[in-house]
Amino acid sequence: QKEVEQNSGPLSVPEGAIASLNCTYSDRGSQSFFWYRQYSGKSPELIMSIYSNGDKEDGRFTAQLNKASQYVSLLIRDSQPSDSATYLCAVPNYGGSQGNLIFGKGTKLSVKP
Amino acid sequence: SQTIHQWPATLVQPVGSPLSLECTVEGTSNPNLYWYRQAAGRGLQLLFYSVGIGQISSEVPQNLSASRPQDRQFILSSKKLLLSDSGFYLCAWSASGGIYFGEGSWLTVV
Repeated sequence: QKEVEQNSGPLSVPEGAIASLNCTYSDRGSQSFFWYRQYSGKSPELIMSIYSNGDKEDGRFTAQLNKASQYVSLLIRDSQPSDSATYLCAVPNYGGSQGNLIFGKGTKLSVKP
Repeated sequence: SQTIHQWPATLVQPVGSPLSLECTVEGTSNPNLYWYRQAAGRGLQLLFYSVGIGQISSEVPQNLSASRPQDRQFILSSKKLLLSDSGFYLCAWSASGGIYFGEGSWLTVV
């Protein structure tokens, strides 16, 4: 059974700091990785995808992938209180449909003003 | 642009009652559609997916069923709800680069 592991948190950071969210996955053959943000009571929103080793930056968000270590992370620079949410990591469950993703249980981030 | 809608947003149903959740997608044709569930303390779990009209695949055994009567319509049903069916149900469609969720439906079975 493929697995995606995340520290459930909560991770608390002060406003303006860098928040670092981590995720490990069990399937060494995984090729694509997704980060979703989920505000309390709302549906998840796709914020980043990454396919190659290294870093991918989008605004204040940077996704980092290390396939050798089976590790993917999300960095949020200049964290804002509006970034307070649960962040979900997901990888495809190959063999099924394209949208068949395996999700971690998420890390709850709290940004304190 | 593509949009996805699902309803009702919230519902409280007694054990043994039927269920129908509906989802529609706009702005795309022949989308792959999905039903996920997020139960308290658990991660998102794929329940069903569909690659076309009348084509349904089930990922987990349960007392739920899904149907796709039209290209952009996906329905989740149950004949008799169980307490364990409570959760946050999410319809989604996929494109290259990820899947995109609707607003979700909160189901509480009492």
